Amino acid sequence: DTEVTQTPKHLVMGMTNKKSLKCEQHMGHRAMYWYKQKAKKPPELMFVYSYEKLSINESVPSRFSPECPNSSLLNLHLHALQPEDSALYLCASSQDPGTQALVGNTIYFGEGSWLTVV
Amino acid sequence: AQSVTQLDSHVSVSEGTPVLLRCNYSSSYSPSLFWYVQHPNKGLQLLLKYTSAATLVKGINGFEAEFKKSETSFHLTKPSAHMSDAAEYFCVVSDQQAGTALIFGKGTTLSVSS
Repeated sequence: DTEVTQTPKHLVMGMTNKKSLKCEQHMGHRAMYWYKQKAKKPPELMFVYSYEKLSINESVPSRFSPECPNSSLLNLHLHALQPEDSALYLCASSQDPGTQALVGNTIYFGEGSWLTVV
Repeated sequence: AQSVTQLDSHVSVSEGTPVLLRCNYSSSYSPSLFWYVQHPNKGLQLLLKYTSAATLVKGINGFEAEFKKSETSFHLTKPSAHMSDAAEYFCVVSDQQAGTALIFGKGTTLSVSS
């Protein structure tokens, strides 16, 4: 099973709303990621969690707040977003954060959550 | 510094003809290289990966790629295109010096006509 599950698939929110995106994997992976993807562009890394601790924050605005409650779950809390934040948000996981992309270590992506900010 | 260049932003082929999606990379160390596919309104699916084993890598759905260190290339090929291959394809590189980051190419849109 190489599945990363994201909910909801679609989310429409106002600029004053608070909402959350959720991600789950049961592959025993110890690294989890949030990526943002705009139309016709490659994904851009936002956050990396290694062993449930935030290890990389790619200068993401504080209106995006990640949380890793346990090794299987990753959340992205959203507050006071702007219309330009509308995008596809992809969650991903990999087995060993210390040796990412080395032999046998692959990043697996979920289907994504489509976010529209109105 | 690492970089990935996908040489074609758009490739159009007819069903049943070969597919070639070109990718060149720059890496200061022994890289790992991946091809991902993204169908419309979907997430990214791993097609294949190179991690310093065999230079000819076979992936899913009949795709394969050859790692050529002398040319710093990792082109993706398929002998015969299907309509279902129409999608966005990303070449991705990572190496130890990059830590946990993946470097994505800008993507190639593959169109398949009947």
